[in-house]
Amino acid sequence: LAKTTQPISMDSYEGQEVNITCSHNNIATNDYITWYQQFPSQGPRFIIQGYKTKVTNEVASLFIPADRKSSTLSLPRVSLSDTAVYYCLVGFTGTASKLTFGTGTRLQVTL
Amino acid sequence: NAGVTQTPKFRVLKTGQSMTLLCAQDMNHEYMYWYRQDPGMGLRLIHYSVGEGTTAKGEVPDGYNVSRLKKQNFLLGLESAAPSQTSVYFCASGWGRDTYEQYFGPGTRLTVT
Repeated sequence: LAKTTQPISMDSYEGQEVNITCSHNNIATNDYITWYQQFPSQGPRFIIQGYKTKVTNEVASLFIPADRKSSTLSLPRVSLSDTAVYYCLVGFTGTASKLTFGTGTRLQVTL
Repeated sequence: NAGVTQTPKFRVLKTGQSMTLLCAQDMNHEYMYWYRQDPGMGLRLIHYSVGEGTTAKGEVPDGYNVSRLKKQNFLLGLESAAPSQTSVYFCASGWGRDTYEQYFGPGTRLTVT
């Protein structure tokens, strides 16, 4: 499973766009990139998954450059309720035994 | 749909005692997972299952056993609890195959004294 590196924490003001980057230099051909959000005392919640280029859903966008060695989760116009820990995972289900969430990025949104 | 449910929500054990955590999902998912999360840490995979009757080891399997006798249930057992197993345990389920999209339960907070 590809090792991932994320910033430990980020701060933002409400209404701003937030971009969280994840580095995964040894990503394999079969690997997908998946992002989760976790609030205190809750289980993680799936946000978005992608393989290449750009993926967008109702809550976020995921940008993946051509070399796929990094990815960026973009949260448009964050609100206080987006304060959470965000995890980047890289791999595919064939390597599920090595699945790990790492320590994630703690996003703090303030007024 | 209830999604993923976990029983119990809280438990306190003495060292050496045993217990079983129950996870149930009603989404007909093939894959199920058990994780533990220690304070300030990410989730670490204990065991997982790719279908009824199958189990496999994750990153931190020692001290735990699992069973998946029915597709909708995934049990995590601690035969002889140790203080190092104090943690929050999360169960998840998903379709597996080419996706890591998983649905998580609310967690079980376990304290071993």
